[in-house]
Amino acid sequence: EVQLVQSGGGLVQPGGSLRLSCTASGLTFRNHWMNWVRQAPGKGLEWVAYIKQDGVERNYVDSVKGRFTISRDNAENSLYLQMDGLRAEDTAVYYCATNWPLDYWGQGTLVTVSS
Amino acid sequence: DIVMTQSPDSLAVSLGERATINCKSSQSVFYSSYNKNSLAWYQQKPGQPPKLLIQWASTRQSGVPDRFTGSGSGTDFSLTISSLQAEDVAVYYCQQYYIAPPTFGQGTKVEIK
Repeated sequence: EVQLVQSGGGLVQPGGSLRLSCTASGLTFRNHWMNWVRQAPGKGLEWVAYIKQDGVERNYVDSVKGRFTISRDNAENSLYLQMDGLRAEDTAVYYCATNWPLDYWGQGTLVTVSS
Repeated sequence: DIVMTQSPDSLAVSLGERATINCKSSQSVFYSSYNKNSLAWYQQKPGQPPKLLIQWASTRQSGVPDRFTGSGSGTDFSLTISSLQAEDVAVYYCQQYYIAPPTFGQGTKVEIK
């Protein structure tokens, strides 16, 4: 059974930083694209970033470019999202997910940016 | 970016009746190399992550009931639930994965009438 278990998240002040983690099991992690997707409270889904299998190719939605960094550790079966310069509009539940289309999802973790 | 527009925003259907959700993309998502449309449908129930129902516009994921059918090509797609069950109450999203950034429709909330 594929499982993506997320950690990190919480309350942070505007301008602050946070790191999200996602640990995979039940699949050969190094063979899969990985993504972060977010959902603001009561709103729809927004793709945030992807990273390909070797960790070299990455892409971001324009609104987080230069502030967020996606990375992975294939030896640890783990995906990360380093979020710097956080803004109120970054408040959302963040999900990790595999591949395109997004076939396996983590449970989600809430990030709240507020003073 | 490709804009995905769903209609309606919400619909209420009686148990056992048909529900149809439409999705329109601002440009074609037909991937000629695969001869397929790069269009997916997701179901999201309250408090849960989304679940992939259909990929390539019409291919059901393993375990998805056959009352869920995806159709369409190019820029116009639909998801049909042939006989609505209580457990189908959810928000449904279409998504194109033809080109980055992959973009979602705004969602359609399906309820029981």
